[in-house]
Parts: sequence; structure tokens; C-alpha cells
Amino acid sequence: GAGVSQSPSNKVTEKGKDVELRCDPISGHTALYWYRQSLGQGLEFLIYFQGNSAPDKSGLPSDRFSAERTGGSVSTLTIQRTQQEDSAVYLCASSLEAPGLAVNTGELFFGEGSRLTVL
Amino acid sequence: AQTVTQSQPEMSVQEAETVTLSCTYDTSESDYYLFWYKQPPSRQMILVIRQEAYKQQNATENRFSVNFQKAAKSFSLKISDSQLGDAAMYFCAYRSRGTYKYIFGTGTRLKVLA
Repeated sequence: GAGVSQSPSNKVTEKGKDVELRCDPISGHTALYWYRQSLGQGLEFLIYFQGNSAPDKSGLPSDRFSAERTGGSVSTLTIQRTQQEDSAVYLCASSLEAPGLAVNTGELFFGEGSRLTVL
Repeated sequence: AQTVTQSQPEMSVQEAETVTLSCTYDTSESDYYLFWYKQPPSRQMILVIRQEAYKQQNATENRFSVNFQKAAKSFSLKISDSQLGDAAMYFCAYRSRGTYKYIFGTGTRLKVLA
């Protein structure tokens, strides 16, 4: 696609339910990031993918959070047994950057985010 | 650890006037990128301007320019001839060239008054 696509745009769920958030990055972008943005806050790093590998999962808040990426493209962020404190906007970003790549502009391209509300 | 600080939670500017948003950062690295991202109500963050630390010349993009003071670790954004469409959250971000991790500030909400 032309840009980073995220779905769903908005999700309302009940406490204890599982949710899946999807990110479709720009074609050819090898790097993919997930961030969490709580109301009035900055961006909290969750996880970074380079291809299908996740060299850095250090930002995942708990073992209820997991993410995968398949085919070096689409990524899914899964939150199990959701809690009210999980309510936030989840942003996905992709980048052409890769280790050793000659041209690394450093620019991240963001999706519009998925707003998760846990009741 | 690197940090990015935006000390202005909110700023206001009259339409057609100029406003400067502040950003300071802390790092021991010498080669890095700095960015300003804009997040309008639609939520999609858009790159406004970027600066490479090794370049002494301040970056400019139309009405947007930066004042990059490497020694002071300061990276402010100046918006000239402000327009209603400039109203958004603005995030300052840092990334060391040798790494993948971006450090974002907490943002400045810019209001543009007609």
C-alpha cells in the first residue's frame, strides 16, 4: 500500500478479553515498530522488528503482550486478558532502514493508530 | 541513557505569526539524527523536519526551520507564518545513527488562533 495501514481504527473491549491489532507496513520496509501512546503522554516503545525477527522486545509491558511479524510484512500485536490500563492508542511505524544499508534516512512512517478502550 | 525533553506542554500562536517549540536532549553520542514529528487530530504522525548531527547547517523545510545547537544539545523548531493547519501535537525525537531505537519527547500541543 501507499502508507502504513492499521486495523482496527477503534476497538472497544471488555476487561479480560483478548485483542489483536494489525499493522501493514509500507511495502519493502524491513523495520517495523510498535509504540503505545496513552492520553496526554509521549510515545512508549513496545517492540522492534527487523524482517521477521524481533531483536528488541524490551518495551512489552507484560507477558500478556506479544507480537509477531510474518513474511517480513504484516505484524500483529496481541494483548491477552486486557486490563483497563491497556487503554491507549497503539501506533505502528515502518522504515526502510536496515543494518549496513547505504542509504538510511532515519525517517519513520506511521500509521493512524488503533485506539483501544478497555471497559 | 538518552533522553529527550520538551518543556512546553502547550503553546499558542496567532495565525501568520511565528512560534518556536523547544527541545533538549541528552546523549554521549556524536553521530545521531534529530526529528520533529507532527501529530494532527487524525493521529497519523508526519515527519516535519530532520537534522543529522554532523551537519552544522540548520535544516529548513518551507515555513519550518530548526535551530540546532549541538554543544548545548538543543533542537528547537521554528514555524513561520503559522497556519490553522499547523495546529497539532509536535514531538521531538532522537536516534543514534548506529541504533534503531527512537527516543521521543512528551510533545507540545500547538494551538493556532484565528
